[in-house]
Amino acid sequence: AQSVTQPDIHITVSEGASLELRCNYSYGATPYLFWYVQSPGQGLQLLLKYFSGDTLVQGIKGFEAEFKRSQSSFNLRKPSVHWSDAAEYFCAVSGNQFYFGTGTSLTVIP
Amino acid sequence: DTAVSQTPKYLVTQMGNDKSIKCEQNLGHDTMYWYKQDSKKFLKIMFSYNNKELIINETVPNRFSPKSPDKAHLNLHINSLELGDSAVYFCASSSRGNEKLFFGSGTQLSVL
Repeated sequence: AQSVTQPDIHITVSEGASLELRCNYSYGATPYLFWYVQSPGQGLQLLLKYFSGDTLVQGIKGFEAEFKRSQSSFNLRKPSVHWSDAAEYFCAVSGNQFYFGTGTSLTVIP
Repeated sequence: DTAVSQTPKYLVTQMGNDKSIKCEQNLGHDTMYWYKQDSKKFLKIMFSYNNKELIINETVPNRFSPKSPDKAHLNLHINSLELGDSAVYFCASSSRGNEKLFFGSGTQLSVL
């Protein structure tokens, strides 16, 4: 069965520090993988996606993610976090439908 | 232009009432969805329609009834609202092959 696990419910980082949000998936075939961001009171916005090819994908707002098949992971990274990055982050896998992780809430402290 | 628009943004109502949420997409997508997001931010799929036909119907009380008059619209009607229905409801649409999912801005439903 398809599933997505985000092991970190809440992460706090200082502004300017690096960030890594973890995502593990379970899927029978080569998955389509996504990261979405949800700012307070807003819908979900696509940050980046992986379909095939280069396993390091670049997204908007300076985010990147790396697909590691051997670890069934698709972790999201950013070298230097800005206060405006505080939001909820969702990892998702797409098969016959989209499966979302439970989200990671990011707090950025000055 | 808003790709996926849903109305209203806020909905406050009493228990037992019937309410509807409307959703429209102008992306030309064939597939539309309703998701429910609870207070812990967990996103749960409720329904999926492809070209006006129901293809996913997760375990949702039959008080919830989706209606798709055409492939650009997917409305959600809820009968006999209960306290536990309070949540944020998101409409979404996807391109062919589920290559990308576009979300509306959500409807915050509060049942008093």
